[in-house]
Amino acid sequence: DQQVKQNSPSLSVQEGRISILNCDYTNSMFDYFLWYKKYPAEGPTFLISISSIKDKNEDGRFTVFLNKSAKHLSLHIVPSQPGDSAVYFCAASKHLHPGTYKYIFGTGTRLKVLA
Amino acid sequence: SQTIHQWPATLVQPVGSPLSLECTVEGTSNPNLYWYRQAAGRGLQLLFYSVGIGQISSEVPQNLSASRPQDRQFILSSKKLLLSDSGFYLCAWNAGMEDTQYFGPGTRLTVL
Repeated sequence: DQQVKQNSPSLSVQEGRISILNCDYTNSMFDYFLWYKKYPAEGPTFLISISSIKDKNEDGRFTVFLNKSAKHLSLHIVPSQPGDSAVYFCAASKHLHPGTYKYIFGTGTRLKVLA
Repeated sequence: SQTIHQWPATLVQPVGSPLSLECTVEGTSNPNLYWYRQAAGRGLQLLFYSVGIGQISSEVPQNLSASRPQDRQFILSSKKLLLSDSGFYLCAWNAGMEDTQYFGPGTRLTVL
């Protein structure tokens, strides 16, 4: 039961253009969403997050959009840079205990930014 | 600032051998700790989490176990490894009521 889905395993974008990574989820109880960036043989690095009470969060070149009715979130990277080439995971969070959260991760999208 | 360490970075073990992976967090106290596994071609899967010393919760039944002997130390173990235990193991932490988890560098385990 894949509760968080990233249907595009890979994406190639020209440097300077916009990268749009998509993520769909099925459980309406998720209340917090995150994007992580991962380089090979390294742990994921937190990128940006959004609470379910918002529909947009922006941090520099990165913007996350949340459409609750569609159970869809997306990450926009503008402008894309070669250093952005990595695997991007979206994650949805639900509470386990106060202060502890279970993350359900998507399978990742490999972004390649072409110089 | 807080840092999270994992070792070893890579490990090759024969089937049936024991396993011990260690994770430590510096710069914070009483963190919530998590073990994840990323199998080839799959997303990250939560294996265990801990809210305090000696408190372990398992999310997925398997032949792995976890322990938290000290506040900032989290250990993943197995008595007998299976081929299916191969993967990339990640430790993560979050502080207090903060939502965001931060990951360690990971351990690449290959079981032959």
